[in-house]
Amino acid sequence: EPEVTQTPSHQVTQMGQEVILRCVPISNHLYFYWYRQILGQKVEFLVSFYNNEISEKSEIFDDQFSVERPDGSNFTLKIRSTKLEDSAMYFCASTSLQANTEAFFGQGTRLTVV
Amino acid sequence: GIQVEQSPPDLILQEGANSTLRCNFSDSVNNLQWFHQNPWGQLINLFYIPSGTKQNGRLSATTVATERYSLLYISSSQTTDSGVYFCAGNSGNTPLVFGKGTRLSVIA
Repeated sequence: EPEVTQTPSHQVTQMGQEVILRCVPISNHLYFYWYRQILGQKVEFLVSFYNNEISEKSEIFDDQFSVERPDGSNFTLKIRSTKLEDSAMYFCASTSLQANTEAFFGQGTRLTVV
Repeated sequence: GIQVEQSPPDLILQEGANSTLRCNFSDSVNNLQWFHQNPWGQLINLFYIPSGTKQNGRLSATTVATERYSLLYISSSQTTDSGVYFCAGNSGNTPLVFGKGTRLSVIA
């Protein structure tokens, strides 16, 4: 069964450093998403991406965040200057269509900022 | 946007017991999914169920779209069922909105 894969599974970084979280969505999917879950809280939407551009973003997705699809398979989330409060689980998801379709989630990257 | 409420927030069960988890939506949804978050933090997709009823082993789910709620049934619970159960939904082209989850603890 096709799946969304994320790397790394766990990333520890020092405050102020840049991190890149990587995702390989399902190959024939067109819409890509990043979600964030701070420990013990609910999963929150960050950004959606379609046709090589951001289609929607939340208030959380400020200037320190960026997304990119550098090639035909990878979808990345970059955090430019990490803060302690960026520590969270980050999930990538993809869908074949934007509406009325199931979202498939990766296993997540646990980011710890020290 | 859509608000998602899950109940109960916490649930403790004896192994072998049955349970029902509920998800209410503030508005109509086109998509509805249930997830299980395991102790390692991974989101396991349980059901994609915008309407109707589905079953998968000891788990089943029912969504009544017209009344804006969904139920997840767990029968003969096992310790491996422990974790947090999330429902999430969206309408139109909006991203999925998650509830706060139900934390289930199954004790032997």
